Amino acid sequence: DVKVTQSSRYLVKRTGEKVFLECVQDMDHENMFWYRQDPGLGLRLIYFSYDVKMKEKGDIPEGYSVSREKKERFSLILESASTNQTSMYLCASRALAGLAYEQYFGPGTRLTVT
Amino acid sequence: AQKVTQAQTEISVVEKEDVTLDCVYETRDTTYYLFWYKQPPSGELVFLIRRNSFDEQNEISGRYSWNFQKSTSSFNFTITASQVVDSAVYFCALSGATFSGYSTLTFGKGTMLLVSP
Repeated sequence: DVKVTQSSRYLVKRTGEKVFLECVQDMDHENMFWYRQDPGLGLRLIYFSYDVKMKEKGDIPEGYSVSREKKERFSLILESASTNQTSMYLCASRALAGLAYEQYFGPGTRLTVT
Repeated sequence: AQKVTQAQTEISVVEKEDVTLDCVYETRDTTYYLFWYKQPPSGELVFLIRRNSFDEQNEISGRYSWNFQKSTSSFNFTITASQVVDSAVYFCALSGATFSGYSTLTFGKGTMLLVSP
């Protein structure tokens, strides 16, 4: 079974802090994704990576950056956390970039910025 | 631009009732895939099914069935004889290519299903 793990289930940070969310997958998948999930808005794609050191902006990249130095690890960085970044963050991975491939999700990190 | 609409925000049923979750999509692509995911209270989205745009056959898996109709751009999901363990948020999603050629998923806003005993 594919396993996608996220470093924390719950995180509380202060406004202005730099925040790192880590995601690791153990199935040698090429692609990895970061989403945020908010009530009434569903899942929105922040960034994705189709290969090591490669990244592409999703629908809502503002205020975020990402890093993928190793194939199994994809980090989401909030350079200066703000209260409107309080949300559930979900990481996903996918074997290959084709339309048909499903994504596998981690358990999520609920981030609160105070 | 692609769009997925799940008009039902929340549905409540009593155990053993049948329930249908609606999904309507918009795309200009001729080749695409549709997906359903389940998100139980634990939070992790679980993949349920994938259907490609050229295959309009309905699919049944145990108590779950899916009805894909290209003519109405719909991909509805029915749970027969619902159980309490079916309580979750269900997401419909549509795959499409970005400008760079990589595919991503566009998700609907989800339907929360509450099954009471």
